[in-house]
Amino acid sequence: ETGVTQTPRHLVMGMTNKKSLKCEQHLGHNAMYWYKQSAKKPLELMFVYNFKEQTENNSVPSRFSPECPNSSHLFLHLHTLQPEDSALYLCASSPGTGNTGELFFGEGSRLTVL
Amino acid sequence: RKEVEQDPGPFNVPEGATVAFNCTYSNSASQSFFWYRQDCRKEPKLLMSVYSSGNEDGRFTAQLNRASQYISLLIRDSKLSDSATYLCVVWGTTDSWGKFQFGAGTQVVVTP
Repeated sequence: ETGVTQTPRHLVMGMTNKKSLKCEQHLGHNAMYWYKQSAKKPLELMFVYNFKEQTENNSVPSRFSPECPNSSHLFLHLHTLQPEDSALYLCASSPGTGNTGELFFGEGSRLTVL
Repeated sequence: RKEVEQDPGPFNVPEGATVAFNCTYSNSASQSFFWYRQDCRKEPKLLMSVYSSGNEDGRFTAQLNRASQYISLLIRDSKLSDSATYLCVVWGTTDSWGKFQFGAGTQVVVTP
């Protein structure tokens, strides 16, 4: 079993739909992250949770709503998205939010908004 | 100015050749440095951390130049399987918060 798993791997939704992305980590880490990756652009940090408390919201529109029920699970709830939100959404985890070493990524959820 | 800048490439490299590329970072308070590899439509995976004294892992050599604020990656004896996008990642503190900053990646294409 991989350390960080994401579901679904692919998602197509209309602008009026509500959907959720799920992330689970099996590494015993305390910090979890949502990143957005658009073509030819650097990864954009969206949200950071440490010990299931949100420590950063990087000016993300409210149509993206994170939820972190415990240190192992992270959700990204999606509502009334725009076509420009189409991207690869990557979940990651790390031991902590300090200088604790590498990020471990899930395989990503590729989102297409029609 | 971007926090982390990379030449997007692509670097077209004949199999067996050597390729090297750099990454510059703007935050002088950066503390940790990494090279990640990302295959097409896959997630980034850590290739190697970059240490102050420079480090080598098989055919891969990473260097850090703090004075000029750049890191480099050199790949020797390139294999077809080295074709990927290489992401430069820097951890540093800004406004009391530490965070990872990513470059947009350098694409390497190894040709037979």
